[in-house]
Amino acid sequence: LAKTTQPISMDSYEGQEVNITCSHNNIATNDYITWYQQFPSQGPRFIIQGYKTKVTNEVASLFIPADRKSSTLSLPRVSLSDTAVYYCLVGDSGTYKYIFGTGTRLKVLA
Amino acid sequence: NAGVTQTPKFQVLKTGQSMTLQCAQDMNHEYMSWYRQDPGMGLRLIHYSVGAGITDQGEVPNGYNVSRSTTEDFPLRLLSAAPSQTSVYFCASRQPGLGSYEQYFGPGTRLTVT
Repeated sequence: LAKTTQPISMDSYEGQEVNITCSHNNIATNDYITWYQQFPSQGPRFIIQGYKTKVTNEVASLFIPADRKSSTLSLPRVSLSDTAVYYCLVGDSGTYKYIFGTGTRLKVLA
Repeated sequence: NAGVTQTPKFQVLKTGQSMTLQCAQDMNHEYMSWYRQDPGMGLRLIHYSVGAGITDQGEVPNGYNVSRSTTEDFPLRLLSAAPSQTSVYFCASRQPGLGSYEQYFGPGTRLTVT
């Protein structure tokens, strides 16, 4: 199982771009990378997934280098409502055993 | 679609009591899982299932039992509650094989064991 490592916390100001990097040195060939957002007292919510290179959707971008040992979630122009915990999750497509890391607590300041 | 539903929302148990946390999904997902989240911490996988009749252990399975008799339901049983099981429990589901690795989470059950 790929273990993930993320910064514990980050602060940003409204309107800035935020990049959160996740390290997953032991990622396997078939593993996908997914990111989730969690607000207090709620279940995690899926943001984005990727395998390699760059993926973009309406809320975020995901950058994955060629060696796939890390990934970076990019949130453009954050607002106060983006204050949450963000989790990187490497999906084990072989065993379906999905292990969350410790997450990154993002605080957006006015 | 209701998505993933969990009952009850809140529960208080005394040490040694048993109970079942209910989880149901109406999306016909094969994969379901249970996580626990202690205050200020990340989610830890308890048990998971890849289809009816198939279950497996996650990171922290001790003290919990599961079964999967139908695709829709995946109950989590606490056999003899302990204060260390005080946590928020989340159920999730996903449909493998569609190119999406998105897991859908329920709203959680907040359990306190005294």
